[in-house]
Amino acid sequence: QTVVTQEPSFSVSPGGTVTLTCGLSSGSVSTTNNPSWYQQTPGQPPRTLIYSTNTRSSGVPDRFSGSILGNKAALTITGAQADDESDYYCMVYIHNGISIFGGGTKLTVL
Amino acid sequence: QVQLVESGGGVVQPGRSLRLSCAASGFTFSTYAMHWVRQAPGKGLECVAVIYYDGSNQYYADSVKGRFTISRDNSRKTLHLQMNSLRPDDSAVYYCARGLLDYMDVWGKGTTVTVSS
Repeated sequence: QTVVTQEPSFSVSPGGTVTLTCGLSSGSVSTTNNPSWYQQTPGQPPRTLIYSTNTRSSGVPDRFSGSILGNKAALTITGAQADDESDYYCMVYIHNGISIFGGGTKLTVL
Repeated sequence: QVQLVESGGGVVQPGRSLRLSCAASGFTFSTYAMHWVRQAPGKGLECVAVIYYDGSNQYYADSVKGRFTISRDNSRKTLHLQMNSLRPDDSAVYYCARGLLDYMDVWGKGTTVTVSS
């Protein structure tokens, strides 16, 4: 069974830069997996940040960027702000219509 | 503006059925794949099902395969999720989302399903 792995938690200082990663238990994440990233605050629906590895969704500031780093997908937030404190989920397309979310990373800005 | 509004959630006993709906507006519904994603209390996101823009193909998570059916009515701009043989671990907020096969770009606010005796 394929598992998508994310750091359970991360912290960043206001104004700082943080990179969250997204891996696959069965191997590497590549652009063919079309990784996407979603932000969620408590009680709210997810918000799409990045899709197709590095395409920002409409209205998402350029402080958020996506990439492949080594064998993982990555979400980098530069100039972190207090309202970036959220849960971040990556999703990876596996095959035959099946996509899998990672367990999420709880980002603290302090 | 682009909007997705889910309905049909509620409290249901184990083994019973429920049908969720998602009303779309503000975009050309028939040109997008549509997803159902759920989130159990305090847990992460789980892809439940996805349907092609024209309804020609559907894919399901193993956890719901054979019990849930995703469908769409492009003339009414509506997405459905028929949920049969419900179990307590199906309790979650169910989100409808627009996208392509491999991502979602617009999300509804969700509808809550509670399976309990």
